[in-house]
Amino acid sequence: EVQLVESGGGLVQPGGSLRLSCAASGFSFSSYAMTWVRQAPGKGLDWVSTISGGADSTYLADSVKGRFTISRDNSKNTLFLQMNSLRADDTAVYYCARVNFPGWIDPWGQGTLLIVSS
Amino acid sequence: AIHLTQSPSSLSASVGDTVTITCRAGRDFNRALVWYQQKPGEAPKVLIHGASSLESGVPSRFSGSGSGTDFTLTISSLQPEDSATYYCQQFYSYPVTFGGGTKVEIK
Repeated sequence: EVQLVESGGGLVQPGGSLRLSCAASGFSFSSYAMTWVRQAPGKGLDWVSTISGGADSTYLADSVKGRFTISRDNSKNTLFLQMNSLRADDTAVYYCARVNFPGWIDPWGQGTLLIVSS
Repeated sequence: AIHLTQSPSSLSASVGDTVTITCRAGRDFNRALVWYQQKPGEAPKVLIHGASSLESGVPSRFSGSGSGTDFTLTISSLQPEDSATYYCQQFYSYPVTFGGGTKVEIK
């Protein structure tokens, strides 16, 4: 069974940093691109970032460029999102998900909540 | 970026009704479109990929159609468990974009 389990969310002050992790199991992790999608409370889905299976290509939404970095450790089947210079509008549930060729997102993890507030 | 406009933003229908949700794109992106269902407190789930391919395990009352810039998700014979928010998403190019969502309520 494919499982994606996010961790690392919490309460952070504006300007702070946090790293999210996503532990993957049940599939050949290095064979798939992985992605982060967020959802602010009561709002829609907002793509954040995607990384290729071999980590040679990364893509970031304009809203997080220069602040967030996506990475992965294929030896540990783990996806990361390093978030710096956090702002109130980064407050959201962050979902880790697998990207199936040619590009649909499935499955998704259960999400981890990030709250940016003083 | 390819902007996706979903309509309506919400609807209310009765059990057994047929419901249609539209996703319109700012430009042509072939059929690189996915439909998701999201229930409160849950992660999204794929219903349709490639605009019209039903994901394994999804009831056949869900169907997708369209190409170019206009796509539709149809739910035939609406069931109580279909109460959810539905999103379209394009994977033709980065940035990946989602429609604003359509909340479906059962009368």
